[in-house]
Amino acid sequence: GAVVSQHPSRVICKSGTSVKIECRSLDFQATTMFWYRQFPKQSLMLMATSNEGSKATYEQGVEKDKFLINHASLTLSTLTVTSAHPEDSSFYICSAVSDKTEAFFGQGTRLTVV
Amino acid sequence: QKEVEQDPGPLSVPEGAIVSLNCTYSNSAFQYFMWYRQYSRKGPELLMYTYSSGNKEDGRFTAQVDKSSKYISLFIRDSQPSDSATYLCAMGNTGGFKTIFGAGTRLFVKA
Repeated sequence: GAVVSQHPSRVICKSGTSVKIECRSLDFQATTMFWYRQFPKQSLMLMATSNEGSKATYEQGVEKDKFLINHASLTLSTLTVTSAHPEDSSFYICSAVSDKTEAFFGQGTRLTVV
Repeated sequence: QKEVEQDPGPLSVPEGAIVSLNCTYSNSAFQYFMWYRQYSRKGPELLMYTYSSGNKEDGRFTAQVDKSSKYISLFIRDSQPSDSATYLCAMGNTGGFKTIFGAGTRLFVKA
């Protein structure tokens, strides 16, 4: 299957700082990328849909000013958690959709805010 | 009512057993149905992908979709300890492929 690389895999940051997570499709172009959040023992919750060259569409309850998404190219989307707080600690996962409409997931980023 | 319902388990079976995992859904517009396997602290891995109704088989895995009942299943034959993971059903419709996930079923296969 296609490869989606997510970086970093693990990050610890201080409360109040910002963290950027990258999601790259390595061997295909992804016009659409999705960002999910997963709390322990819970399912993936869609945060936002990112389309190349346009503003992201956020799900209800997700603060767009806190979770900044940029999809500048067909192979890269970034999620920036701004002014992080301990309650933002979670597992963040991206997925990218190929032209065959299959979604491939990154390996996830475990964010811990201390 | 959630769009996708999935029993979180845990489900514990002996090695070699046939495992049946299920999800129900409420949105009749869903056309794509997937099963993902997720190991602890890892991203989900696509196992099976089915469009519309019917069965699909891949090795020890069989996916079934019954759109009339809004019910999908994943069967694992000859289960192995390495199959121990969380299995997430997911589905979506056309136009952007927005995927909705079930809660995931935690499976333990005992040697």
